[in-house]
Amino acid sequence: GAGVSQSPSNKVTEKGKDVELRCDPISGHTALYWYRQSLGQGLEFLIYFQGNSAPDKSGLPSDRFSAERTGGSVSTLTIQRTQQEDSAVYLCASSFQAGQGSSGYTFGSGTRLTVV
Amino acid sequence: DQQVKQNSPSLSVQEGRISILNCDYTNSMFDYFLWYKKYPAEGPTFLISISSIKDKNEDGRFTVFLNKSAKHLSLHIVPSQPGDSAVYFCAASLGDNAGNNRKLIWGLGTSLAVNP
Repeated sequence: GAGVSQSPSNKVTEKGKDVELRCDPISGHTALYWYRQSLGQGLEFLIYFQGNSAPDKSGLPSDRFSAERTGGSVSTLTIQRTQQEDSAVYLCASSFQAGQGSSGYTFGSGTRLTVV
Repeated sequence: DQQVKQNSPSLSVQEGRISILNCDYTNSMFDYFLWYKKYPAEGPTFLISISSIKDKNEDGRFTVFLNKSAKHLSLHIVPSQPGDSAVYFCAASLGDNAGNNRKLIWGLGTSLAVNP
């Protein structure tokens, strides 16, 4: 596609339920990143995929969070047993290489998750 | 510990004047610095970057200055336009041994308002 596509754009869920967030990166981009931005906070790194390498999961805040990237393209971020503190905008980004230092990543518009 | 700091949460400037957004960092190993602009309900978009071996990079109305000895960079927008009103994020990149840049360390952002 022309850009990074994320779905849904908004998600309201009850505390304790599981949610899945989807990211379609730009075609041909081998690197994919998940970030989140909580209210009044900066961008927090969650997880990074690069080709067939093992993902860098160092930013996942708890074991309730997991992510997959199937076929080197679409990625799904899953949050189990959601808590109110999980409420945030979840942003996906992709890049052609493992993060081009000079030109950065292309971000999607994000999924706004609200846990009630 | 905030490795990338944007100490001004907001800035207000008159149309046509210069906007100066500041960013400080603590890690001398960062090899690229990037500025992103974010409008409400959209993902961040890449604006301009600078390599750590440079002290200035210019692109149209946008110029980024890097002072390595002070671990400080700034983004200058001149002349400022109302459409520049957005949140500006400073980010720093740390490459791995292969020269790939894997994840960005983000500041908390500065909200710029350009008044007509």
